[in-house]
Formats: sequence, structure tokens, C-alpha cells
Amino acid sequence: GNSVTQMEGPVTLSEEAFLTINCTYTATGYPSLFWYVQYPGEGLQLLLKATKADDKGSNKGFEATYRKETTSFHLEKGSVQVSDSAVYFCALMDSGTYKYIFGTGTRLKVLA
Amino acid sequence: EPEVTQTPSHQVTQMGQEVILRCVPISNHLYFYWYRQILGQKVEFLVSFYNNEISEKSEIFDDQFSVERPDGSNFTLKIRSTKLEDSAMYFCASSVRLAGGRETQYFGPGTRLLVL
Repeated sequence: GNSVTQMEGPVTLSEEAFLTINCTYTATGYPSLFWYVQYPGEGLQLLLKATKADDKGSNKGFEATYRKETTSFHLEKGSVQVSDSAVYFCALMDSGTYKYIFGTGTRLKVLA
Repeated sequence: EPEVTQTPSHQVTQMGQEVILRCVPISNHLYFYWYRQILGQKVEFLVSFYNNEISEKSEIFDDQFSVERPDGSNFTLKIRSTKLEDSAMYFCASSVRLAGGRETQYFGPGTRLLVL
């Protein structure tokens, strides 16, 4: 079945460091891919998305490129801020049922 | 910007009691979902709902669970007889489905349910 695998956290970085959070997926067909962010005590917010191969989603300095050949959708940011501290979830949308399948989440902690 | 809202934000209940979690989806959306997140675990799909009926449900969504759209704005999740393992954050989501199956689900802030 469809699945999403994310790198284990927590990830601890200093402010202005480069961030990569790895995400790979297994799916039939060509699912849409998403990154959601969950700040402490809050719900899930859409960060970015990509709907087809080679699409690049971007928002708030974060980017991720839909790589069909490596079945990956890694999240990157060139210079993280303390305010980026949150849990990041990679997800795919099952193209048959439209349900989302989430990864386990990666906690990011950015230190000043 | 329109958003999905959920009430209550927190609910504490005794095991065996019924709870109803409420959601107001984005007004022009037609597809509705419930997910849950047990503390420290991944977000899991429970059920999807369209045109007043369930489209898809997971194995978690057993006979103790039901969903309803009682009026034009609310979407509810009922747990008939709560168990300790129902303690989780419950997220409602809604979407509009575009041509070609393109869809983005927008999530509410969640209801944290604690069953004692």
C-alpha cells in the first residue's frame, strides 16, 4: 500500500543553518505530495505542495521538489529561524481515495 | 482567508460516555474528512464524507464512530462509547476537488480529546 517515510527527529539546528528533512514515498500512480507544519499547540498548516513530477513547491523560504525517479519530496530551507521550530509532516494524497497518508513527522528545534 | 474551525478545542470525558466533535468546513467545500493523531504518533485517516455519505473509512472507524452533516455548515464526528485509546487530537479537514483530481485539504486546529 501507499506509505510515507520521513527522517527521524528531532533535528536541532542553529539559527541561519541549512535545513533538509528527507521524505520518500511509496505509491501507485502519481500522488500529490504535501508538507504540513504543526507549531506547538496548534493544528496542521499547509506549508507547500506539488502535484506532478518535477514540480517545486515553495513557501516562506521552504522548498521541496517532486522527484519521481527517487520517489522523494525532501524539504529544504536555506536559513532557518527560531520561529521555524515545529513538527513537519510529509504527506501524500492517495489518488484513488483522496485520503492523506502522513509520515511520522520530524520535530525541528532551532536555537538562537 | 477562510478556514476550518473546530469545537471544542479540548474535551475531557469519562470512559463509556458519548462525545460529539464539531467542525465547520470552509463554506464552498464539498469533501470532508476526519483524521486523528494519538500523542506522539502520526496523523491517521479516519473517514471521508461527500454528498451526505461516507466515501471511505479506515479500519479505525468502527461501529462506535459516526459522522453527520446535520445542516449546511456543520460536520460532526460522534464517538458513541469512548475508550481510553480514543484519547487523541482529532482533526477535521475539507476540500474542493478540481478537474484532474487535484485537491488540497485544509485542516482545522483540532480537538484534543482525553478519555479518563
